[in-house]
Amino acid sequence: SYELTQPPSVSVSPGQTARITCSGDALPKKYAFWYQQKSGQAPVLVIYEDNRRPSGIPERFSGSRSGTMATLTISGAQVDDEADYYCYSTDISGNQKVFGGGTKLTVL
Amino acid sequence: QVQLQESGPGLVRPSQTLSLTCTVSGGSISSGGYYWNWIRQHPGKDLEWIGYIYYTGNIFYNPSLETRLSISVDTSKNQFSLKLSSVTAADTAVYYCARAPGASSAYYFDYWGQGTLVTVSS
Repeated sequence: SYELTQPPSVSVSPGQTARITCSGDALPKKYAFWYQQKSGQAPVLVIYEDNRRPSGIPERFSGSRSGTMATLTISGAQVDDEADYYCYSTDISGNQKVFGGGTKLTVL
Repeated sequence: QVQLQESGPGLVRPSQTLSLTCTVSGGSISSGGYYWNWIRQHPGKDLEWIGYIYYTGNIFYNPSLETRLSISVDTSKNQFSLKLSSVTAADTAVYYCARAPGASSAYYFDYWGQGTLVTVSS
């Protein structure tokens, strides 16, 4: 079955840039999406179609995709950005809808 | 803005059937253009897509669950439902309902319900 791989944790100081990666064999052909999940809450879409921000998502959130890797970048990370972040995509057929294992972002 | 709300029992006995309903407000399921999904999150935090239904009744299930799974839609109530049979402790999870835009070039989830915890235990 198809898998997306993320680092378990990333830690930055407030104001620094946080980068979270996601690797998958189908990413050269498929969009990546990113969800933020704060403790006890449902996931929230922060990036769609690699690099597009939904309405209401701060500009400090951006995304990119190159080859088999997608990256979520939080420029000037804030304490409020502490959360679990999940990448999402599909396999090459589009039938397998898969989330990465999640990355815990710590900002302190 | 569309809102989704899960409802159903929080405790299910092993070997029984888990049943959940998602009520959609702020938009009509029967207007089309969206797929209606179930997703679950295990206690270890892994997210797993379960399946979707379209308002016409068209369905697609995660192959790993399809032998135990049934998703249905009731457009008159603006609801869709999940039934998962023969549950075990491995089915303990937070269950979310979520919407996927049908017109997008990719399949993804733009709105989620708040989730409901279902525990499988005797």
